[in-house]
Amino acid sequence: EVQLVQSGAEVKKPGESLQISCRGSGHSFITNWIAWVRQRPGKGLELMGIIYPGDSDTRYSPSFQGQVTISADKSISTAYLQWSSLKASDTAMYFCARSLNPTVTTGVDYWGQGTLVTVSS
Amino acid sequence: SYELTQPPSVSVSPGQTARITCSGDALPERYAYWYQQKSGQAPVLVIYDDNKRPSGIPERFSGSSSGTMATLTISGAQVGDEGDYYCYSTDSSTNPRGVFGGGTKLTVL
Repeated sequence: EVQLVQSGAEVKKPGESLQISCRGSGHSFITNWIAWVRQRPGKGLELMGIIYPGDSDTRYSPSFQGQVTISADKSISTAYLQWSSLKASDTAMYFCARSLNPTVTTGVDYWGQGTLVTVSS
Repeated sequence: SYELTQPPSVSVSPGQTARITCSGDALPERYAYWYQQKSGQAPVLVIYDDNKRPSGIPERFSGSSSGTMATLTISGAQVGDEGDYYCYSTDSSTNPRGVFGGGTKLTVL
């Protein structure tokens, strides 16, 4: 069974750094893209970027380029989303999701349970 | 940047057919994907590659695409189908970027 398990909820202050994780199991982690998706409270889904763990090819959506860092460690089937300096506007639920196939234009099928990040002073 | 446009809301009575549209300039060349999200839950894929249904998704969910518009159709909508629906696709550039539509709130009452 394909599973993506994300790290737990985080409460941080503005300016702090953070890394959240997404561990895959039940499939070949290196042959599908992993996407990170943001959902602010009461708002829609926003694709932040994707990474291909097999070779760490990473593509960022324009709005998120330079704002976050996406990485992966294929040896432990885990993808990461990192901030160096959080802002209150980063408060959101963050989902990871697996692509249906290795094609960069494909959508995602399996989703993690989400990680709630709250940034407040 | 590329955009996919969905109506903010669709409302139908139980048993009626709900149609949710998604328009985007690259849809003639790219597949559309549809996700259902119920309150407080992760999204669920209901249609992929324009018109294919993942295992476990009821047959009342179907998808189609023509020109610059993709459509999710729920035949005989049920109260349990209420939620937010998002389309997803990519632009047609040589370095494609994915994007979600703004989402459509489906009400069945």
